[in-house]
Amino acid sequence: GENVEQHPSTLSVQEGDSAVIKCTYSDSASNYFPWYKQELGKRPQLIIDIRSNVGEKKDQRIAVTLNKTAKHFSLHITETQPEDSAVYFCAASIGGYALNFGKGTSLLVTP
Amino acid sequence: NAGVTQTPKFRVLKTGQSMTLLCAQDMNHEYMYWYRQDPGMGLRLIHYSVGEGTTAKGEVPDGYNVSRLKKQNFLLGLESAAPSQTSVYFCASSGDRLYNEQFFGPGTRLTVL
Repeated sequence: GENVEQHPSTLSVQEGDSAVIKCTYSDSASNYFPWYKQELGKRPQLIIDIRSNVGEKKDQRIAVTLNKTAKHFSLHITETQPEDSAVYFCAASIGGYALNFGKGTSLLVTP
Repeated sequence: NAGVTQTPKFRVLKTGQSMTLLCAQDMNHEYMYWYRQDPGMGLRLIHYSVGEGTTAKGEVPDGYNVSRLKKQNFLLGLESAAPSQTSVYFCASSGDRLYNEQFFGPGTRLTVL
């Protein structure tokens, strides 16, 4: 199937620093790119998404950017806090009704 | 609203046994999905459904069957469980075809001995 590559697989930052997670996708027809956060033992939950007609979207400390030409999108978290520690998954739409997920980034924010 | 629920939460099977995982949603969503999550592998799509009575294969369908007899329910069956099917299984649902915000259930942790 179509691939979504996600980097890095682990990321450790100090509280207050910024964190950036990058994803690339291969299906040029993908038009929806969500990001999910999964805390240990919990279900994935949507934190932000972006559609193909938009280049950037912000929600408080979280932002996502999309470069459709290069087929990559990124998650930016500013002023990180310990409660941001979790696994983050990017995804790209396939076939109009399904998602292809990256393998995840384990983010650790140390006080 | 309960959202997406899954039963059971935990299960231990012996190799060769069968079982059915139940997913239910009360959001009147058309689309439903079954994923498995293994360490370092992310979420991989097993099967999905775009409406009542329809099902389709995802990325890793082998060894699993599904049914969507009612709009609110999506069942995942393992006919003859294998240790390779030890995983956490998540169900999800979505109401929008174009922009697929998916709502996940709490997961089922399955161990096959």
